[in-house]
Amino acid sequence: EVQLVESGGGLVQPGGSLRLSCAASGFIFSSNWMGWVRQAPGKGLEWVANIKQDGSEQYYVDSVKGRFTISRDNAKNSLYLQMNSLRAEDTAVYYCARDSSTNNWSNYFDFWGQGTLVTVSS
Amino acid sequence: DIQMTQSPSSLSASVGDRVTITCRASQDISSWLAWYQQKPGKAPKSLIYVASSLQSGVPSRFSGSGSGTHFTLTISSLQPEDFATYYCQQYKNYPRTFGGGTKVEIK
Repeated sequence: EVQLVESGGGLVQPGGSLRLSCAASGFIFSSNWMGWVRQAPGKGLEWVANIKQDGSEQYYVDSVKGRFTISRDNAKNSLYLQMNSLRAEDTAVYYCARDSSTNNWSNYFDFWGQGTLVTVSS
Repeated sequence: DIQMTQSPSSLSASVGDRVTITCRASQDISSWLAWYQQKPGKAPKSLIYVASSLQSGVPSRFSGSGSGTHFTLTISSLQPEDFATYYCQQYKNYPRTFGGGTKVEIK
């Protein structure tokens, strides 16, 4: 059974940093693209970032470029999102998601974690 | 960026009703479209991919159609567990983009 468990969320002041983690199990983690999607309170879904199987390619939504970094450790079956220079508008539930693709291009998200809440406030 | 527009933003329906949700892309995305279901306080769940393929384990009352810029999600006979918010998402280009969501409520 595919499982994705996020951790690392919490309350942080504007300008601060936070690192989210996602522990994956139930599939060969190194075979799939992975990604992060966020959802601000009461709002819709917003894609944040994707990373290729070997970490050689990363893609970001413009609003987080230069502030967020997606990475992975295939030996630890873990996905990460380093978030710096956080802003109030980054407040959201952050979901780790498995991309269905085991190829050189990414597809849609077929499994999602339960999410972790990040609150940016003074 | 490719804009995804869903309609309606909400609808009220009864158990047993046929429900159709529309998603329009601002440019041609071929069939690179997915649909997700999200219940309150829960993670999204994949329903449909490549516009019309049913994710494993999803009931056959769900179906998707369309290509290019116009897509639909249909629930043939609405069940109590189907009351949720539905999102479309294009995965032809980066940035990946979602529609604004359609909330399906009980009439």
